[in-house]
Amino acid sequence: SQELEQSPQSLIVQEGKNLTINCTSSKTLYGLYWYKQKYGEGLIFLMMLQKGGEEKSHEKITAKLDEKKQQSSLHITASQPSHAGIYLCGATGGAQKLVFGQGTRLTINP
Amino acid sequence: DGGITQSPKYLFRKEGQNVTLSCEQNLNHDAMYWYRQDPGQGLRLIYYSQIVNDFQKGDIAEGYSVSREKKESFPLTVTSAQKNPTAFYLCASSMVGAGYTEAFFGQGTRLTVV
Repeated sequence: SQELEQSPQSLIVQEGKNLTINCTSSKTLYGLYWYKQKYGEGLIFLMMLQKGGEEKSHEKITAKLDEKKQQSSLHITASQPSHAGIYLCGATGGAQKLVFGQGTRLTINP
Repeated sequence: DGGITQSPKYLFRKEGQNVTLSCEQNLNHDAMYWYRQDPGQGLRLIYYSQIVNDFQKGDIAEGYSVSREKKESFPLTVTSAQKNPTAFYLCASSMVGAGYTEAFFGQGTRLTVV
C-alpha cells in the first residue's frame, strides 16, 4: 500500500523565517493533499496537487509536486505565529483509500 | 451549513467495554473514513467506505468495527479487543467520482480508557 514519509518530523523556526516541509511517497502520487491541524482539532484543507510539476500558492504558503509525482514540498514564506501547528500530507491511492504521513509539528518562536 | 459532525468530543471507557463513536455528514459525500491519531503521530486509517452497505479495512482495523447503513452516517465501534484504545479519533468524508477532491474532517473524539 502507499506510504508517505514526511520530513522533518518537528521544526522550530523564528518568526519571519522561511521553511520547507517535504512529503515523499513510496508510489506515484495521483492526488496529493496538504492539511493543517491545530492540536486536538480536526484538519483544515490547504491545497491539492495532481499534475507533475504543479505548484499552488495561498497567501504565504506554496506547495509543489515534482515531475515524477513522488515528492511534494510545502514552503512557508515569512512565517508567522498563526502558521504554527501540525502539517500533514495525504494521498489517494487506489479504491479511494486516503492515507497520511506522520505529520510535521511546526513551532514559530517570536 | 454543510459539514461533518463527530460526537461526543470526549469519551471515557472502562476496560472491557465496547464504545461507539458517531460521525454524521450532510455533504452528500459517498466516501467516509475513520482515522486514529496518537500523540506526536500522523493519522492511521482504520476503516473506510465508498458506498452504503460497503466498507473496507484500513491499516489498523483490528479491534474496531463499523457500519454504513445510511449515506450520512458511519459509526465506529471500539471493541474490547482493541488493547490500546486511548487516542484521538477523526472522521472524514469526500466525494467519489472523476478526479480527486479534498476530504472534510470532523473535530474529532478523544477517547480515554479509565
